[in-house]
Amino acid sequence: EAGVTQFPSHSVIEKGQTVTLRCDPISGHDNLYWYRRVMGKEIKFLLHFVKESKQDESGMPNNRFLAERTGGTYSTLKVQPAELEDSGVYFCASSQRITGWRETQYFGPGTRLLVL
Amino acid sequence: DQQVKQNSPSLSVQEGRISILNCDYTNSMFDYFLWYKKYPAEGPTFLISISSIKDKNEDGRFTVFLNKSAKHLSLHIVPSQPGDSAVYFCAASRGNTPLVFGKGTRLSVIA
Repeated sequence: EAGVTQFPSHSVIEKGQTVTLRCDPISGHDNLYWYRRVMGKEIKFLLHFVKESKQDESGMPNNRFLAERTGGTYSTLKVQPAELEDSGVYFCASSQRITGWRETQYFGPGTRLLVL
Repeated sequence: DQQVKQNSPSLSVQEGRISILNCDYTNSMFDYFLWYKKYPAEGPTFLISISSIKDKNEDGRFTVFLNKSAKHLSLHIVPSQPGDSAVYFCAASRGNTPLVFGKGTRLSVIA
């Protein structure tokens, strides 16, 4: 069974540009999460989808970040326009059931974003 | 303000000895705690968890201890192996709220 995949693995962009990150969860997983880790700091929750619906987006830093999950399959996270402080590793995770946080979350390898 | 703290950024242990990784939390409402392990260029991998109704959970070489009164949990790895060298993240949650992670502790197991 394929794990969580993320694309691209790395992205280097200039301040003010737009970047779109993609996450493909494990097939059949209803829950999809986005996290971010700024270098040396903790992994921080950004948002949670249940199928195509946003369940919790309390961790989204500001309105420059837009997440979608069309059809309840893959998800995209767009940053527009990117700022220097958006640099970090963006992780996606998925889990199987709808009931929430007790299910094991499986993480993807992350996208390393560097904004210059 | 950080709710989950891992105060040791790094730890070195000899192969075969015990590794003890520590984690403190401030939110007494947390009721579920997890440890994740992360290798370079990979995502975190779930290792072991514990509910607040327990004080110990064991899985092979890995044991997690929870001290609710001290708001402290620890991960014991015994015996430590070179393949255990990784960054270990402590995480906590309350009900259905999002996971809160610590900054991680880098474990190096020396052969």
